[in-house]
Amino acid sequence: QLQLQESGPGLVKPSGTLSLTCTVSGGSISGTTSYWGWIRQSPGTGLGLQYIASVHYSGRFYDNPSLRSRVTVSVDTSKSQFSLKLTSVTAADTALYYCVLLSREGRVDQWGPGARVAVSS
Amino acid sequence: EIVLTQSPGTLSLSPGERASLSCRASQSVGANYVGWYQQKPGQAPRLLIYGASSRAAGIPERFSGGGSGTEFTLTISRLEPEDFAVYHCQQYGSTPLTFGGGTRVEI
Repeated sequence: QLQLQESGPGLVKPSGTLSLTCTVSGGSISGTTSYWGWIRQSPGTGLGLQYIASVHYSGRFYDNPSLRSRVTVSVDTSKSQFSLKLTSVTAADTALYYCVLLSREGRVDQWGPGARVAVSS
Repeated sequence: EIVLTQSPGTLSLSPGERASLSCRASQSVGANYVGWYQQKPGQAPRLLIYGASSRAAGIPERFSGGGSGTEFTLTISRLEPEDFAVYHCQQYGSTPLTFGGGTRVEI
């Protein structure tokens, strides 16, 4: 059974870079039509979920225009991992970050347990 | 981007009752690509419904989805104790993917 697990620092300083990695186990990260992505859930937005970006193992990616200038996503097939980098973070980026598996169409088929990241000095 | 508005914000019901949740889109959702997710406290969301009306693998028949265009609904025919949770709708008919604000179903 496919499993996703986020990892990375739980605390980032303002103006710094948030870096998270998702490790995929129980399945292949390549040779599929699926996309690997990131979604966050911020305490400041109540229950709401926000799509950040997603990437195919081939390198094709989609992102959210509201975060575009600050987001980089990448895939490392040799390690079965994909990563998120979010630059110039502020307190508004404090959230629970989920790595996810998306179908080619964009529905979210699988979620990681989530990684809490706080932005604070 | 397509904005999704979920209503009501909170639904207070009892086990055995029927729950009807609404998700309204600011513009028509392509191919009715709408999904519904259930989220319990301390857990990640899980997919219940995709393509507006198809149940995901392992989802009980009491969960059903419907609608088209800009109006979509999730119905839980008879609430079980484990169904009290937060429900999110998502559209994936156009980029960026967007989610509604969520509906909490509480006892």
